[in-house]
Amino acid sequence: QQQVKQSPQSLIVQKGGISIINCAYENTAFDYFPWYQQFPGKGPALLIAIRPDVSEKKEGRFTISFNKSAKQFSLHIMDSQPGDSATYFCAASRDNFNKFYFGSGTKLNVKP
Amino acid sequence: DAGVIQSPRHEVTEMGQEVTLRCKPISGHNSLFWYRQTMMRGLELLIYFNNNVPIDDSGMPEDRFSAKMPNASFSTLKIQPSEPRDSAVYFCASSLAGGAGTQYFGPGTRLTVL
Repeated sequence: QQQVKQSPQSLIVQKGGISIINCAYENTAFDYFPWYQQFPGKGPALLIAIRPDVSEKKEGRFTISFNKSAKQFSLHIMDSQPGDSATYFCAASRDNFNKFYFGSGTKLNVKP
Repeated sequence: DAGVIQSPRHEVTEMGQEVTLRCKPISGHNSLFWYRQTMMRGLELLIYFNNNVPIDDSGMPEDRFSAKMPNASFSTLKIQPSEPRDSAVYFCASSLAGGAGTQYFGPGTRLTVL
């Protein structure tokens, strides 16, 4: 059973546009929701993370929106740039439990 | 800090051979994770350790796979015998248990079994 469902599988956005990637989870015990960015040939790297006590977290052009009642969270990339082209993974875990449940990934292509 | 170190970066072997992948976690981290990444199955957690003790190995595909962590600064993932379907990128990650939970990934080992 997939604990975290991610969509879309792939995404093409024009430079300057907004990229939106969505994730949904079932386990209400999850309380840490990170997003990882992976470039080809590299390991995933933490991009931004949120805990469910806030509904939004912003770091530069990257924003996580969190809807606890819907059990959904999403990544928004404002003013998308070709350098943002990568695969993005959402994940969820329980506090002090280090096991991450990763989504299936979204391959983002930002066209110049 | 040097980050998580994995070796080798690339491994090509023939079916039936033993393969050993190595990982050095970030100093001070007490949790270590082994993942496998393929196009078909995405990022799969194989096993993770807390304080050198295996906690959850439910993701290990079969008995051909084994992992050890003899001390806080070294772990191995062994496949014996290897099969073509084991071809994948294997990542090691480490974190500080009880903290923010952030996992830091190594660069991965690309394994090709012919």
